[in-house]
Amino acid sequence: EIVMTQSPATLSVSPGERATLSCRASQSVSSNLVWYQQKLGQAPRLLISGASTRATGIPARFSGSGSGTEFTLTISSLQSEDFAVYYCQQYNTWPYSFGQGTKLEIK
Amino acid sequence: QVQLVQSGAEVKKPGSSVKVSCKSSGDTFRSSTINWVRQAPGQGLEWMGRITPILGIENYVQKFQGRVTITADTATSTAYMELTSLRSEDTGVYYCARGQPWLVYWGQGTLVTVSS
Repeated sequence: EIVMTQSPATLSVSPGERATLSCRASQSVSSNLVWYQQKLGQAPRLLISGASTRATGIPARFSGSGSGTEFTLTISSLQSEDFAVYYCQQYNTWPYSFGQGTKLEIK
Repeated sequence: QVQLVQSGAEVKKPGSSVKVSCKSSGDTFRSSTINWVRQAPGQGLEWMGRITPILGIENYVQKFQGRVTITADTATSTAYMELTSLRSEDTGVYYCARGQPWLVYWGQGTLVTVSS
């Protein structure tokens, strides 16, 4: 099973600033990676698939990059609604697996 | 627009079973893949398994193998997840989600509490 590791566990950033979240796979997953956002009490929401393709309706301030084992989610200018928990998920190999999440909090 | 509506919260005794339903509306249920994901209190997301009704194929994560059964009723566009031999560690929110290989549409979640 592929283990996904996210860092940091918690990231404190001020509104308007840039946030960079990392996700590492225990073995190569090519570009078969997605990012989700989860707000408190809600189901996750798909942000990015294929490591870098924004899902429908996702603002351009969200961008993803990386391939192989190292991936990054960047939020260019944080808005108040962006403070949430973010998960990466690989779909290269079944069983698919999630990272443990990064909590993005207001500084 | 696809919507997934799950059954309500459950409180179960250790050793018992729970069956959660997930009714899909919108486009074709048979050709979709329904996944089940668990989230323990304050914890991350954990894949449990999936089913693709049109193929009649289920896949389970090894951790849950033998305790979980995922089924689908194409007549009612409803998927089910049954988890047996419940223990306290099974307490959490259980989500169904449609999509393959990523999860696009999510149910609202069903809280399952296992307590004596």
